[in-house]
Amino acid sequence: DTGVSQNPRHKITKRGQNVTFRCDPISEHNRLYWYRQTLGQGPEFLTYFQNEAQLEKSRLLSDRFSAERPKGSFSTLEIQRTEQGDSAMYLCASSPLRATEAFFGQGTRLTVV
Amino acid sequence: TQLLEQSPQFLSIQEGENLTVYCNSSSVFSSLQWYRQEPGEGPVLLVTVVTGGEVKKLKRLTFQFGDARKDSSLHITAAQPGDTGLYLCADAGTYKYIFGTGTRLKVLA
Repeated sequence: DTGVSQNPRHKITKRGQNVTFRCDPISEHNRLYWYRQTLGQGPEFLTYFQNEAQLEKSRLLSDRFSAERPKGSFSTLEIQRTEQGDSAMYLCASSPLRATEAFFGQGTRLTVV
Repeated sequence: TQLLEQSPQFLSIQEGENLTVYCNSSSVFSSLQWYRQEPGEGPVLLVTVVTGGEVKKLKRLTFQFGDARKDSSLHITAAQPGDTGLYLCADAGTYKYIFGTGTRLKVLA
């Protein structure tokens, strides 16, 4: 297993367009997380899945954001009608159910122009 | 909502110097973790501490957890350019991770 994989690594989009990011967690990791990170800051929690169930969504996740994990494996994060304030690094992490280490992917850097 | 404040925000030092960075929480940690993040990469776990007063060492890095489990420090001895990165403390709660504001360290050769 090569770790958590995120695609694409970089995305430049025009304001108002929709974007979708994909995360492939480490195999058999039940937990999957999405975080957003702006330059020089710590990651901010967005949402959490246990298997296919989305158990928590941050207030940061406005109605324009939606995340899915349909089969309890890979996950997608969609942002509709992007705004310049959405520009950030979007990080995905996974962990086993009974562990306290989060394994992060390399992130998708979104730039909204 | 738990707030984790880290200080200093930025630190630039010469190779061979020692440094300490701090993490303070507005509430008691469930368990404290330190991560390091290099440019273009995700954070990588360095250590987990659970017990108040606990001290852990990882080569030149020494992690200390406050007795009241609301603060922590990371001390690096004889810093090297390879230590450059963003150092993050985090609370590994029941199921999610809350991260601090980060300390960006640059070690100059």
